[in-house]
Amino acid sequence: EDKVVQSPLSLVVHEGDTVTLNCSYEVTNFRSLLWYKQEKKAPTFLFMLTSSGIEKKSGRLSSILDKKELFSILNITATQTGDSAVYLCAVERRIESWGKLQFGAGTQVVVTP
Amino acid sequence: DTAVSQTPKYLVTQMGNDKSIKCEQNLGHDTMYWYKQDSKKFLKIMFSYNNKELIINETVPNRFSPKSPDKAHLNLHINSLELGDSAVYFCASSQGSQGFLTYEQYFGPGTRLTVT
Repeated sequence: EDKVVQSPLSLVVHEGDTVTLNCSYEVTNFRSLLWYKQEKKAPTFLFMLTSSGIEKKSGRLSSILDKKELFSILNITATQTGDSAVYLCAVERRIESWGKLQFGAGTQVVVTP
Repeated sequence: DTAVSQTPKYLVTQMGNDKSIKCEQNLGHDTMYWYKQDSKKFLKIMFSYNNKELIINETVPNRFSPKSPDKAHLNLHINSLELGDSAVYFCASSQGSQGFLTYEQYFGPGTRLTVT
């Protein structure tokens, strides 16, 4: 059965701390892995990863994919209260010639002042 | 300008009623999706359309019927609403996902449906 597992489910950190979020997966016909940030409403896109070992960076956020060990990590350095959100990992599977996202349960991050 | 918009944002209705949620995207994308996010925050795909054609149809009760009048719009009609249909419904769009090309999905603000 295909699965996408995120850990931890939740964590609380202080401003300035570094956070590492994990996403492991077992899916058939893997195409890509995506990270989203969800605050109150719509998930907003962070990264798409398709190749192993190539780090993607955007400001204080970075992510990397390991296709051999089937996991990805999302790092947030120098956290700020605005980083408080649920971080969603999604794996895109190829279905015939199309792609379909399967989401993990998310990691709730709370950054305290 | 809002890229992916949904109406209404909130919908409260009684069991047994029929309701519709509308979605529009102005990104020029070819593919649109409906997702359901339940109380445990799990996001699950329901349907996907590419250029008005249904390409993904998950195991969803046939009380749910999507309709795509054109590639910028994807509506969701729900018949005979049940308590378990209460959730947040998200529309999303992407440039497409056919063949070897893959693109990220952009989500609308969601419609919170409460069935009483």
